[in-house]
Amino acid sequence: DAGVIQSPRHEVTEMGQEVTLRCKPISGHDYLFWYRQTMMRGLELLIYFNNNVPIDDSGMPEDRFSAKMPNASFSTLKIQPSEPRDSAVYFCASRDRWIAGETGELFFGEGSRLTVL
Amino acid sequence: DQQVKQNSPSLSVQEGRISILNCDYTNSMFDYFLWYKKYPAEGPTFLISISSIKDKNEDGRFTVFLNKSAKHLSLHIVPSQPGDSAVYFCAASGTTSGTYKYIFGTGTRLKVLA
Repeated sequence: DAGVIQSPRHEVTEMGQEVTLRCKPISGHDYLFWYRQTMMRGLELLIYFNNNVPIDDSGMPEDRFSAKMPNASFSTLKIQPSEPRDSAVYFCASRDRWIAGETGELFFGEGSRLTVL
Repeated sequence: DQQVKQNSPSLSVQEGRISILNCDYTNSMFDYFLWYKKYPAEGPTFLISISSIKDKNEDGRFTVFLNKSAKHLSLHIVPSQPGDSAVYFCAASGTTSGTYKYIFGTGTRLKVLA
């Protein structure tokens, strides 16, 4: 089975440019999460979706960040305009529906490393 | 505020010895805890988990201990191997409160010396 697929793996852009990160979750998974990894904050949850609906976006740092999930097999995280402090590795993760009594494993993609100059 | 804390950013251990990684949490509504392992340029991968109704879970060389009263969990790796060198993240979720999200700590970089 294919895992969570993210693109691009690396992105270098200049301050002020729009950045779009893409994610294809594991087929059949109901939940999709976007995380950002930085040295200071570790893996920071930005937003998560359930059945394509955004449930909690309290981790989205600013209005410059937006995320969409138009269908069950695709999600985007957009930064417009980008700033140097947005430089980080962005991870997408997905999991199956929650079943009472089960922990459930979160499956991560390989990440998109963003560098904003 | 950091609800899940890993206060040791790094740890070095000799091969064959025990590695102990620690994690503290503040939210008493968390009821599931997980450990993830991350190699450079890869995504985190699941290692082991524990429910709040248990105080210990073991899987081969890996054991996770949970102390609910202290809001503390730890991961023991015995014996440690050079291939265990990675960044380890602990995570917590609170399904009974309807919070179906995973909160991660800042990670601990483990280096196992041959």
